[in-house]
Amino acid sequence: NAGVTQTPKFQVLKTGQSMTLQCAQDMNHEYMSWYRQDPGMGLRLIHYSVGAGITDQGEVPNGYNVSRSTTEDFPLRLLSAAPSQTSVYFCGSGDRGREFFGPGTRLTVL
Amino acid sequence: EDQVTQSPEALRLQEGESSSLNCSYTVSGLRGLFWYRQDPGKGPEFLFTLYSAGEEKEKERLKATLTKKESFLHITAPKPEDSATYLCAVLGGSARQLTFGSGTQLTVLP
Repeated sequence: NAGVTQTPKFQVLKTGQSMTLQCAQDMNHEYMSWYRQDPGMGLRLIHYSVGAGITDQGEVPNGYNVSRSTTEDFPLRLLSAAPSQTSVYFCGSGDRGREFFGPGTRLTVL
Repeated sequence: EDQVTQSPEALRLQEGESSSLNCSYTVSGLRGLFWYRQDPGKGPEFLFTLYSAGEEKEKERLKATLTKKESFLHITAPKPEDSATYLCAVLGGSARQLTFGSGTQLTVLP
């Protein structure tokens, strides 16, 4: 099993550009999540999904969109990137609390 | 609002020097407290779940304990490979999302 995979590993965007961070899992988990990790602030939940077709907002959802068309995939879309979205993004799957995380995407917005 | 505070922010130990990391929390109706380990450049890796005061869990040189206000992660005779950032998170009564602390960066010197 590959577990949770994320692409890309690194990305640099200009302010106003859009992009999609990809996340896939092969463990047949219903619950998936997206977090951002900033220095000194721990992980903060952006969006989560409890199954295909069901998504909900977390603590910091503004500027991000998600969809869940399959159990395996949970992409995160940045609509119009801003410097405040510079961060490391982690995708997780499993049970709420006991999650498997991907290796992360380091995003820089100039 | 759920809150998690971890201390110290950083800890340097000599190999074999036992110590404890602290996770203080404020939550309405604790549904679970979780410990994760995070290596540089990687996603968090799940370690333990604790559900009620008095509960203890062990894994190799690590032991997690829980009271009504805090959790401790005890490290006995640490080795350099135990060097990592240790994250604590709580799931509150609403059970919608985890709240993470900012972590303790542990360095074990040979």
